[in-house]
Amino acid sequence: EPEVTQTPSHQVTQMGQEVILRCVPISNHLYFYWYRQILGQKVEFLVSFYNNEISEKSEIFDDQFSVERPDGSNFTLKIRSTKLEDSAMYFCASSESTTQGEQYFGPGTRLTVT
Amino acid sequence: GENVEQHPSTLSVQEGDSAVIKCTYSDSASNYFPWYKQELGKGPQLIIDIRSNVGEKKDQRIAVTLNKTAKHFSLHITETQPEDSAVYFCAASPWGQNFVFGPGTRLSVLP
Repeated sequence: EPEVTQTPSHQVTQMGQEVILRCVPISNHLYFYWYRQILGQKVEFLVSFYNNEISEKSEIFDDQFSVERPDGSNFTLKIRSTKLEDSAMYFCASSESTTQGEQYFGPGTRLTVT
Repeated sequence: GENVEQHPSTLSVQEGDSAVIKCTYSDSASNYFPWYKQELGKGPQLIIDIRSNVGEKKDQRIAVTLNKTAKHFSLHITETQPEDSAVYFCAASPWGQNFVFGPGTRLSVLP
């Protein structure tokens, strides 16, 4: 069964450093998303991406964040200058279409900023 | 914007009993309501969803009901098993984008 994969599973970084989180969405999916989950809290939408551009973004997704689809398979989230409060699980998701609705989530990357 | 509330925050049931988790939403434009199960250390897994043009959907031991007028929807799990223990999240969205999740319910199924 196809699935969304994410690397690394755990990333530790120092405050102020840049991090790139990587995702490989399901191959025939066209819509891609990033969510984050601070420990013990609910999953929060960050950004959606379609046709090589951002479709929608939340207030959390400020200028420190960017997304990219550098090739036909990867989808990345970059945090330019990490802050302590960026520590969270980051989930990538993909869907075949928006009218279908179903989003499939990857296993997540735990980001720890020290 | 959309706001989703979820109750209860924790739920313990005996194996074999039923579990019900309820969610309310605020935005009448929302028309897609998925339920996700999250096991420890894993990403959310879609377990069932419902669209606003139906009132109920069932998949084996899991069912979801939707009341558009009251803006609430519920997850029902019958004949619970220990492997049902997890955190369950409801979500609401218009057209499947920009999910707004509820705060989650930690379900414990006691043997």
